Amino acid sequence: AQTVTQSQPEMSVQEAETVTLSCTYDTSESDYYLFWYKQPPSRQMILVIRQEAYKQQNATENRFSVNFQKAAKSFSLKISDSQLGDAAMYFCAYRSYNTDKLIFGTGTRLQVFP
Amino acid sequence: DSGVTQTPKHLITATGQRVTLRCSPRSGDLSVYWYQQSLDQGLQFLIQYYNGEERAKGNILERFSAQQFPDLHSELNLSSLELGDSALYFCASSPGSLSGNTIYFGEGSWLTVV
Repeated sequence: AQTVTQSQPEMSVQEAETVTLSCTYDTSESDYYLFWYKQPPSRQMILVIRQEAYKQQNATENRFSVNFQKAAKSFSLKISDSQLGDAAMYFCAYRSYNTDKLIFGTGTRLQVFP
Repeated sequence: DSGVTQTPKHLITATGQRVTLRCSPRSGDLSVYWYQQSLDQGLQFLIQYYNGEERAKGNILERFSAQQFPDLHSELNLSSLELGDSALYFCASSPGSLSGNTIYFGEGSWLTVV
């Protein structure tokens, strides 16, 4: 069975600085998708970024980028120029080609200080 | 706004009671998913429906049931409620099944069992 591990329960960053959130996963599959979701205090789950495992190029969405290391089964999220609105819980998630369900990590709470 | 609509947003009920949570997926989406987010167990996949039929089942208790109607909206029925059922219940949707489409989440329904 696939598992997702987020080893950083909490992280903090100064406004305008860069922070990296870690995620590792375990799978025997070669094809899959990886996601980062953001959950602000409103508790809504908001998609931040997605990565297809077959793509070697790291996904980027504005200030958010990932470092996808397939061999190491690592999928970290880098937030550049951090803003106060980035403060939230961030969840890493795995989705197999063979199933639709998302498997979530336990989350990392990000604090952003002015 | 993800386009996934959930009602009610908040619900308080007593132990032993039964409640129904409702979800309208994004326009055009055929797959509906239900997730439970509790403090001690993180985000857990409950069940998925695709075009009216059950597609995948996760850690859903026998006291819980769901269905997807011809108009594609879905309901999650929770019965014989226990204190431990207090959680945030998310509905999510995606266009297809096994297609890698991004899954979008609603704002969730807060259930408090007293």
